[in-house]
Amino acid sequence: AQSVAQPEDQVNVAEGNPLTVKCTYSVSGNPYLFWYVQYPNRGLQFLLKYITGDNLVKGSYGFEAEFNKSQTSFHLKKPSALVSDSALYFCAVRGWNTGFQKLVFGTGTRLLVSP
Amino acid sequence: DAGVTQSPTHLIKTRGQHVTLRCSPISGHKSVSWYQQVLGQGPQFIFQYYEKEERGRGNFPDRFSARQFPNYSSELNVNALLLGDSALYLCASRGRTVAPYNEQFFGPGTRLTVL
Repeated sequence: AQSVAQPEDQVNVAEGNPLTVKCTYSVSGNPYLFWYVQYPNRGLQFLLKYITGDNLVKGSYGFEAEFNKSQTSFHLKKPSALVSDSALYFCAVRGWNTGFQKLVFGTGTRLLVSP
Repeated sequence: DAGVTQSPTHLIKTRGQHVTLRCSPISGHKSVSWYQQVLGQGPQFIFQYYEKEERGRGNFPDRFSARQFPNYSSELNVNALLLGDSALYLCASRGRTVAPYNEQFFGPGTRLTVL
């Protein structure tokens, strides 16, 4: 069975500082990993994905994520946080051998960037 | 291109009633998935449809059903509503191919409140 863990309910960071939102996963075989962001009263917006290859993936709005197979982690990072980055962030995984397009999401991490 | 659209935006029902939620995918997308997001949790997979056929179903009771139309739009139906069905219902469409690494694009959701 696939699963995702986001160990932090909330991450607080000051504007201009680097941020990290943590994610670990469990899946059979090679994973496809995704990060989505959700603003209040909105749907999910795709940020980035890992398929294969380079362990550092670059995405939208200056975000990047680092895939670590040995630690089964896929942490989201940004070198310099903006107040407008404050939102709910979800990590999701899909196993390569899943017969249909099911994404398994974590419980989400609220990012709060203070001015 | 317009994004994924969903209707209605908000809906209030009472226990025991029936509800129909609608989704139009991004033009050219043939795969539609439905997710339920209860407050404070990550989205949970309900259904996936591709080319008008059900391709996957999550762990939801038979009160939940869906269908996809020839124009690839989709409906999610929930019968005999329970208080626990109160949630944000998200629809997602996938690209023109259904490669497992393709990201899903989410609509803004329908907020269902069951009283």
